[in-house]
Amino acid sequence: GAVVSQHPSWVICKSGTSVKIECRSLDFQATTMFWYRQFPKQSLMLMATSNEGSKATYEQGVEKDKFLINHASLTLSTLTVTSAHPEDSSFYICSTQGRAGEKLFFGSGTQLSVL
Amino acid sequence: QKEVEQDPGPLSVPEGAIVSLNCTYSNSAFQYFMWYRQYSRKGPELLMYTYSSGNKEDGRFTAQVDKSSKYISLFIRDSQPSDSATYLCAPRRGGSEKLVFGKGTKLTVNP
Repeated sequence: GAVVSQHPSWVICKSGTSVKIECRSLDFQATTMFWYRQFPKQSLMLMATSNEGSKATYEQGVEKDKFLINHASLTLSTLTVTSAHPEDSSFYICSTQGRAGEKLFFGSGTQLSVL
Repeated sequence: QKEVEQDPGPLSVPEGAIVSLNCTYSNSAFQYFMWYRQYSRKGPELLMYTYSSGNKEDGRFTAQVDKSSKYISLFIRDSQPSDSATYLCAPRRGGSEKLVFGKGTKLTVNP
């Protein structure tokens, strides 16, 4: 069964609105969660790393004020795309890792389309 | 030089063929090596996980890591149409370090 639950699976929104994506770890307490973005026919690009109870670490070139990450509990992390624009349209995927494991498990992804 | 290089393909093979997928990497600090399978518009699914050099077999899948040449391979025996997907190699330095993904190789297995 699924280890990571990600919702919604797809969302269409108007330019200028904000969109929240949820990522839940189902089988274990996820101390670290990663958020990726994937454009068509491209590989996954890491956006940020979030650790429970602390501020997220953003990769170079990713605007932290635009992509708000909250990792308030060991089972839930959220990514909010603020004031979305068409160029933010992409496939967003979260992944989680437990305390002792080296394996990362991914959510099913969220396709965001900004009109 | 990119940290991870992977031929994006596409690679098309007949059903039953042996498939060889490869990656090279430049960072000698990588210790963990993952292979993920991704179907279109889905999240990646962990296929194989190897620590350091050596081989690992799981059913029809075999992962090989040669740290001396910084070369990672995934072999699929008796390939099936359901194996058609994009395969991503993803090494990482430590247990809690970020994954570095290759571009992925798109594989099509024709019935």
